[in-house]
Amino acid sequence: EAQVTQNPRYLITVTGKKLTVTCSQNMNHEYMSWYRQDPGLGLRQIYYSMNVEVTDKGDVPEGYKVSRKEKRNFPLILESPSPNQTSLYFCASRLAVTTYEQYFGPGTRLTVT
Amino acid sequence: KQEVTQIPAALSVPEGENLVLNCSFTDSAIYNLQWFRQDPGKGLTSLLLIQSSQREQTSGRLNASLDKSSGRSTLYIAASQPGDSATYLCAVSGSAGAGSYQLTFGKGTKLSVIP
Repeated sequence: EAQVTQNPRYLITVTGKKLTVTCSQNMNHEYMSWYRQDPGLGLRQIYYSMNVEVTDKGDVPEGYKVSRKEKRNFPLILESPSPNQTSLYFCASRLAVTTYEQYFGPGTRLTVT
Repeated sequence: KQEVTQIPAALSVPEGENLVLNCSFTDSAIYNLQWFRQDPGKGLTSLLLIQSSQREQTSGRLNASLDKSSGRSTLYIAASQPGDSATYLCAVSGSAGAGSYQLTFGKGTKLSVIP
């Protein structure tokens, strides 16, 4: 089944404790991205990757890191999480940059205390 | 910078009614526009994708139109059902000329279909 998977689905952590949210897609998509969704602010892009070893900042990259060493994986790293990073995070992918529909993972609900 | 607006923010209709959700965007230089559905606490499900060269797309009871020059799209839902209750999101994919390949989302319309 074609899908985007994320792990963990739920995470509660404390300020400053490094964490990684994994994202994997099995559709051989080139383009992958991370979003956060907050009430009243909607979905905002954090980082995106147009292919292996090619990443760039989205609208709200501060406090996040990403890497794209393999085509299928695009982990999101929070080196020193803070409470303002409490949010619902979505990973997404699409076949190519421009013309194809985007598929979303199920989301990771992160709480930073 | 691209901005996407969805009106209304919330809509409540009785079962069986036809309804229209609206989406407007400020920069007409887009590759495509996509409509998504999101159930509470869940991920986004793609409903329809309209390329910038197309005027509309249909899937079952859903019909989406695109008027790129005026920066508008509508999602028409025919014969609404309680199972259609969800938040509907519109997103546009920027063009290279705009300096961005990212999707820009509206804040959504929360639809409630009353049995």
